[in-house]
Parts: sequence; structure tokens; C-alpha cells
Amino acid sequence: DTVLTQSPALAVSPGERVTISCRASESVSTLMHWYQQKPGQQPKLLIYKASNLASGVPARFSGSGSGTDFTFTIDPVEADDIATYYCHQSWNSPPTFGGGTKLELK
Amino acid sequence: EVQLQQSGPEVGRPGSSVKISCKASGYTFTDYVMNWVKQSPGQGLEWIGWIDPEYGSTDYAEKFKKKATLTADTSSSTAYIQLSSLTSEDTATYFCARSPLLGHWGQGVMVTVSS
Repeated sequence: DTVLTQSPALAVSPGERVTISCRASESVSTLMHWYQQKPGQQPKLLIYKASNLASGVPARFSGSGSGTDFTFTIDPVEADDIATYYCHQSWNSPPTFGGGTKLELK
Repeated sequence: EVQLQQSGPEVGRPGSSVKISCKASGYTFTDYVMNWVKQSPGQGLEWIGWIDPEYGSTDYAEKFKKKATLTADTSSSTAYIQLSSLTSEDTATYFCARSPLLGHWGQGVMVTVSS
């Protein structure tokens, strides 16, 4: 299975720029997607196919990458962005998720 | 508006089975594959499998092939997941999520395995 590796946690302050990385154990082309999950809620799609903004998602969120290395950026961070962010690949079977990166306030 | 409404929390005894539902609305049920995702307490997300409601075809992650059974009832636009031979490892929240891109998710169902 394709393993996706994310940093477990990042501390941020509102107004800052934050970048979350996701490294795949094998190429996933550009079929990498990013989700936001707040406590007690279902995940929400933010970025699809590496760099495309999902409908209704603010332009503060962006993504880039291809192959095995991907980044997800929030610029600027707002207090409401405190959540866990997951990368997810759908190029290789089975689809897999990263372990999640929890954004915390400094 | 696409909505995926899941059934309520379940408590199952070790060795028993539970079946949870995901009722779809706001789109043609047979047009999109439905996925199921597991989230153990305080943990990340695991893909369980998908079902194509139009044909009933399924695919499962290897570790869930003997644990989960996915079905769909097109007359009620409802997808189901049955979890069998429950153990403490099955205590988790289970989400349905519609393809493509897992763009729409149900609210999740908490399954607790307890004697």
C-alpha cells in the first residue's frame, strides 16, 4: 500500500503562513487530495488533484506537488483553521490517507 | 444539495455483527460510487472499501475483506456496511463518503464494542 507521511503537528499563530507536507512512498501522479477535520465532525474536502480548490473553499488554502512530494498551504491562517489536515491519494489501490497534521495555536 | 445521512450510534457485543446505513439524497444514487472510511478513537482515517450502487460491485482494502460487507439498496438510495465478528479493534467512527474525490461525507456513526 502507498504510505503517506505527514508531520504530526504544527503550532501556528493567526495571520501566519503555514505549509504542511505529505510525502508518498511511491508516485501518486497528481491524485493527491487534502481534507480538513475539526473535532467531532466529518472530514471536508479542501484541495483535489494536488492543486484544485474545492467549491466554496477560501483562496487562503492552496496545494501543489506531483509524484511523491506534495504541500498544502494556508496563507494567512485564521483561528477557525485550527483542525487536523489529512492528505489522501487515489492513484494507487487501495486509496490511503496520511496520518494527519494537527494545527495548534502558539 | 447532496446529503449523506447516517444511522445512529451502535453498541455491539464481542463476536456479534452490526449494520449501519447511509441514506443519500440530492443526487442520483446509482451515478456515484460510495466509499466507507474508518476512524478509530483519536486516530487517522482508513479506507475500508467502496460499492458501485448501480452494479453492486465492490472493492475492499485487504484488512477489511473478512470484516466488512458493503451493500446498497437502490430503491431507498441507501448504502450499508455490516461489520462482523466484532472485537475491541472495531470500536471506531465509520463514515460513508461519496466519490469522486470523497467530496461529500456522512456525519459518521460511532460503533462501540463492549460486553
